[in-house]
Amino acid sequence: EIVLTQSPGTLSLSPGERATLSCRASQSVSSSYLAWYQQKPGQAPRLLIYGASSRATGIPDRFSGSGSGTDFTLTISRLEPEDFAVYYCQQYGSSPRVTFGPGTKVDIK
Amino acid sequence: EVQLVESGGGLVKPGGSLRLSCAASGFTFSSYSMNWVRQAPGKGLEWVSSISSSSSYIYYADSVKGRFTISRDNAKNSLYLQMNSLRAEDTAVYYCARDSGGNYNFDYWGQGTLVTVSS
Repeated sequence: EIVLTQSPGTLSLSPGERATLSCRASQSVSSSYLAWYQQKPGQAPRLLIYGASSRATGIPDRFSGSGSGTDFTLTISRLEPEDFAVYYCQQYGSSPRVTFGPGTKVDIK
Repeated sequence: EVQLVESGGGLVKPGGSLRLSCAASGFTFSSYSMNWVRQAPGKGLEWVSSISSSSSYIYYADSVKGRFTISRDNAKNSLYLQMNSLRAEDTAVYYCARDSGGNYNFDYWGQGTLVTVSS
């Protein structure tokens, strides 16, 4: 089973700052099968990045994804007020089919 | 506009059963794999189950295998989750989610339905 670890657990930043979120896998993950989601309180998750680096439809270009193998990164170049949320990475593998990381909360400093 | 609307959640006693539904609209439901993902109160996301477009391929998380059954009715544009032998740890918001293209990228989600298992 592939376990995803996200760091930091909480990231306290100010609007306009750059956010760098890490997702590390216990085994190598195909880049094609690594995604990132944003979730705000009381809302369903929203797909941000798929295939490790492709932005989903309607996602602003301040969001970018990178990485390969066991280390992946989500970068928000300049935080907007609406970006303060919890971010999850997710991978698709064999068994279980899908696992999510525990999440990184980006909150206002 | 793509819409996924879950229903069927509620309060149930341990050992009880519940059937969740997800009504889909705004896209060709029969062309997409669908999934259930849950989130316990204050916790992270947990994938529960997936079903391919024609129901040929079905998968479950180990935590629900043997107790939950996923199904779909393409004629009714609906996804279901039959949950039996419910436990306190099954308490969560249950989301249905569309797989955008077979890589388990969930591009559309419902608003969720809360299942509470408690005596």
